[in-house]
Amino acid sequence: GIQVEQSPPDLILQEGANSTLRCNFSDSVNNLQWFHQNPWGQLINLFYIPSGTKQNGRLSATTVATERYSLLYISSSQTTDSGVYFCAVGVSSGGSYIPTFGRGTSLIVHP
Amino acid sequence: DAGVTQSPTHLIKTRGQQVTLRCSPKSGHDTVSWYQQALGQGPQFIFQYYEEEERQRGNFPDRFSGHQFPNYSSELNVNALLLGDSALYLCASSLSVTQYFGPGTRLLVL
Repeated sequence: GIQVEQSPPDLILQEGANSTLRCNFSDSVNNLQWFHQNPWGQLINLFYIPSGTKQNGRLSATTVATERYSLLYISSSQTTDSGVYFCAVGVSSGGSYIPTFGRGTSLIVHP
Repeated sequence: DAGVTQSPTHLIKTRGQQVTLRCSPKSGHDTVSWYQQALGQGPQFIFQYYEEEERQRGNFPDRFSGHQFPNYSSELNVNALLLGDSALYLCASSLSVTQYFGPGTRLLVL
C-alpha cells in the first residue's frame, strides 16, 4: 500500500511564528487531504488538495503530485493552532476512496 | 446543518465483552467509513459502507463488523474485546471523495 511520511514529527513554536509541515507519499495519488486534530480528538478538514495551491486565511497548502509531496504552511501561528496535523492520501476508484493517513505532526504553540 | 455525530463519546468495557458504536452521517452523505486511531498514530481504516453494503475493508479481524441503515447511519460492532482494542474510533461520512469526521468514541478496554 501507499506509504505516507510526515515531517517533522513534533514542532514547538512561539505564537506569531511561521511553520511548514511536509507530507511525502510513495505512489501516485489523485486525492490528498490535510486535517487538524484538536486536543479533544476532532479531525477538522483543512484542505482537499490533490494538486496545486490553496489558501484559507493564515493557512495555505501546496501539492506537487508529480514529485509526491505536499506542504502545509501556517503563518502567524496562534495557540489555537496546537494539535496534530495529518495528511491523508489515496486513489479514488469507482466512487470509492480509502485514504491512508500519515503519523501526523504534533504542533504546540506557546503564548 | 448537523455534522457527523457519534455516540457514545466515551465507553469502558472489559476484555471479552462486546461493544456497539453508532454514527450519523452529515446530511446528504451516503457513505460511511470507520477508523481506529491508537494513541500517537494516524487513523487506520476499518471498513466503508455504501448503500447498506460493506464496500471495502481494511486489515481488521472478523471481530469487527458493521451495518448501515436505510437512513445511512451506521454501527460498528466489536466482539470479544481485547486490551489492544482500546482506541479512538472515528466515523467519517462522504458524498464524493472528501471525508468529514465525527468527534469519535473513546473506548477503553480493561
